[in-house]
Amino acid sequence: DSGVTQTPKHLITATGQRVTLRCSPRSGDLSVYWYQQSLDQGLQFLIQYYNGEERAKGNILERFSAQQFPDLHSELNLSSLELGDSALYFCASSASPGESYTFGSGTRLTVV
Amino acid sequence: GQNIDQPTEMTATEGAIVQINCTYQTSGFNGLFWYQQHAGEAPTFLSYNVLDGLEEKGRFSSFLSRSKGYSYLLLKELQMKDSASYLCAVSGSNYQLIWGAGTKLIIKP
Repeated sequence: DSGVTQTPKHLITATGQRVTLRCSPRSGDLSVYWYQQSLDQGLQFLIQYYNGEERAKGNILERFSAQQFPDLHSELNLSSLELGDSALYFCASSASPGESYTFGSGTRLTVV
Repeated sequence: GQNIDQPTEMTATEGAIVQINCTYQTSGFNGLFWYQQHAGEAPTFLSYNVLDGLEEKGRFSSFLSRSKGYSYLLLKELQMKDSASYLCAVSGSNYQLIWGAGTKLIIKP
């Protein structure tokens, strides 16, 4: 157990639907990062939060949004889902930007 | 622009030594990380270099040359369980991690 908790582990949904992925960072970590990884592809950075505030944005689609709550857990919302959104979504946390990341086990999203 | 290059795939034999190279061009440098990722699993931290030189940790070592924008990960006494992707990531000027696409290492008996 890495200390970063992601739920659910697996999600199957239909095109056009909306889903919410949840992440609880490791205790004491203030930074949360979201990544998308399609089959046999590299990690694509989506967004970063630090202590409740958005810190950086990557290649995140407008259909996707995220937030970090006062208790530091984070949610990634994916809407109007398309087949191409099928991927592993990882959350990672670090004590502060620049320190090593600890990754959660990921949510495998399948859009059918 | 910012760029990290690693070989896409490498093959090595069980018991042997393999070196995975990473070259980078980034605006600012605050350290270089290596992660291991088994297929379908989360990346796990292997090493961190911020100063030039070699860091050894058991069968794994990582080297950094900041002047050359170059790092390598050295894996000794390869085991079948070392078959995985190895990701190089650089912490840039704003402490954002910039990730390479990863090197898939295949170990053959």
